[in-house]
Amino acid sequence: EIVMTQSPATLSVSPGERATLSCRASQSVSSNLAWYQQKPGQAPRLLIYGASTRATGIPARFSGSGSGTEFTLTISSLQSEDFAVYYCQQYNNWPPAFTFGPGTKVDIK
Amino acid sequence: EVQLVQSGAEVKKPGESLKISCKGSGYSFTSYWIGWVRQMPGKGLEWMGIIYPGDSDTRYSPSFQGQVTISADKSISTAYLQWSSLKASDTAMYYCARLCSIAAAGYLHPQFDYWGQGTLVTVSS
Repeated sequence: EIVMTQSPATLSVSPGERATLSCRASQSVSSNLAWYQQKPGQAPRLLIYGASTRATGIPARFSGSGSGTEFTLTISSLQSEDFAVYYCQQYNNWPPAFTFGPGTKVDIK
Repeated sequence: EVQLVQSGAEVKKPGESLKISCKGSGYSFTSYWIGWVRQMPGKGLEWMGIIYPGDSDTRYSPSFQGQVTISADKSISTAYLQWSSLKASDTAMYYCARLCSIAAAGYLHPQFDYWGQGTLVTVSS
């Protein structure tokens, strides 16, 4: 079973600053890595898939990188609407399997 | 517009049964897998399983196999998640989500692209 870890658990950032979130897999997941954003009281929202491809409608300030076991989500200039919890997720096409990381909360510094 | 609309919040007692629903619209319901995701209070996301409404092929996460049943009625574009005997530890928000395989760089990437609003299940004596 693949275990996903994320760091830090909480990231305090000022609006306009850059945020860098990390995600690590216990074994290689190639580029089968996605990032989701979840705001309080809302369902998760897909941001990135394939480790680095932005989903439809996602602003360019969100970027993903990495492969294998180490991944990064970067938010280049934090906007007020970006304060949320971010989850990484590894996936296997077949047989289907999806494992989420514990999440990183980005809050206002 | 793609929409997944889930049934309302439920309050149940331990040992009771429950079936919650997720109705899809705005797309071909039988052509996409639907997944269920659990979020316990203050916790992260856990994938429970998926179903293909076209033929009811169902796959479960090992953590949830035998604990819940996922089903679908394609005639009314609705997927279900059910419990035969609830426990207090089943208290959580449950989300359904559409699974879309997106092609990128020569590979297919299965992703949950549309989500329901969530159904809060509270199990308490």
